[in-house]
Amino acid sequence: QVQLVESGGGVVQPGRSLGLACEASGFTLRTWPMHWVRQAPGKGLDWVSAVSPDGKNQYYADSVKGRFTVSRDNSKNMVYLQMNSLRPEDTAVYYCARQAGAFDVWGQGTMVTVSS
Amino acid sequence: EIVLTQSPGTLSLSPGERATLSCRASQIVTSAYLAWYQQKPGQVPRLLIYGASTRATGIPDRFSGSGSRTDFTLTISRLEPEDFAVYYCQQYSSTPRTFGQGTRVEIK
Repeated sequence: QVQLVESGGGVVQPGRSLGLACEASGFTLRTWPMHWVRQAPGKGLDWVSAVSPDGKNQYYADSVKGRFTVSRDNSKNMVYLQMNSLRPEDTAVYYCARQAGAFDVWGQGTMVTVSS
Repeated sequence: EIVLTQSPGTLSLSPGERATLSCRASQIVTSAYLAWYQQKPGQVPRLLIYGASTRATGIPDRFSGSGSRTDFTLTISRLEPEDFAVYYCQQYSSTPRTFGQGTRVEIK
């Protein structure tokens, strides 16, 4: 069964850091570009970041550039999002998603709350 | 960055009616790399349509997509109770992979 499972969410103070993880199963991770998409409470979908299949290329939304870092370990079937200098506006459910052109597989999401 | 504008914001319809949702892009979406997703409350987005008009696996044929360049449409031919949800368009022809703001289809 093709599946993505995110973890690492929680409550963090502004300016602090948090790391998210996404575990893939049921497919060969190393052949797929992977993305992070977030959704603030009651709001729409907001693309955050992407990483190429070999991990060599990373892409970021302007709103997170310089603060977030995406990476992957294909040997462990894992994708990561390191979030630094967090802001209240980063509060959202964070989804990882597989890119097959469009995003055909999504994880269940992990909630990140940035609040003092 | 390609900005996607969806209309209307909310569509109030009855079961059995036809729903027509629009997605307009600020620039040409090359190769019709436009997708539609459905999201129900508390659930994960689900891919409905990719390549502007190709249904994803398991999607009923009452869902259809059309359009090219900057104007795209999602049509639900006859609304079923489970179709009341929020629908998002997304372009994947360039980075950032932008989404529209969503159209809510609600029961009238």
